[in-house]
Amino acid sequence: DTGVSQNPRHKITKRGQNVTFRCDPISEHNRLYWYRQTLGQGPEFLTYFQNEAQLEKSRLLSDRFSAERPKGSFSTLEIQRTEQGDSAMYLCASSWGTDYGYTFGSGTRLTVV
Amino acid sequence: KNEVEQSPQNLTAQEGEFITINCSYSVGISALHWLQQHPGGGIVSLFMLSSGKKKHGRLIATINIQEKHSSLHITASHPRDSAVYICAVNPYSGGGADGLTFGKGTHLIIQP
Repeated sequence: DTGVSQNPRHKITKRGQNVTFRCDPISEHNRLYWYRQTLGQGPEFLTYFQNEAQLEKSRLLSDRFSAERPKGSFSTLEIQRTEQGDSAMYLCASSWGTDYGYTFGSGTRLTVV
Repeated sequence: KNEVEQSPQNLTAQEGEFITINCSYSVGISALHWLQQHPGGGIVSLFMLSSGKKKHGRLIATINIQEKHSSLHITASHPRDSAVYICAVNPYSGGGADGLTFGKGTHLIIQP
């Protein structure tokens, strides 16, 4: 296992289009987190899964955002009807739990034009 | 006011200098993390602390739970240490599972 993998690395889309990102966590990790990071800011929590259950969602996650983790393995984050304000780096991390360290993916950089 | 504050925001130093980055937080936490982010986005976990001090190579992290403060030190700094260093905490939520709350990061540049 080479760590947390995110695809694609970069995505440019037109405003109004839908986009989907994928995160493959470390296979033994039961927790998976999505974060969003805008330029010059620290990452902000979006949502988290324990196995296949989505246990928490930030109020930052509007109705246009949906995340899934079928079978408790990889996760997808979909943004519908993208807006320019959605342009950011979307980071995925996985862990065994809050008593353990996190492993981050390299992120997906979204640009909405 | 952010729950996690870092200082300084930007730091430029000469190779070999001793570097200190500070982090203060305002909530109860179960753990504090120091992360390193290089240009392009990749984040590497450096330390996870709940008390005391940890050391790894030239990096040292300390935490004072009573004062809600942590420091990251780099000894004998090198240009390859240039990166953004981010402090993040696990807010204690009595068994909940909140994600990390991050500081805005400290942009460190080490000049040769």
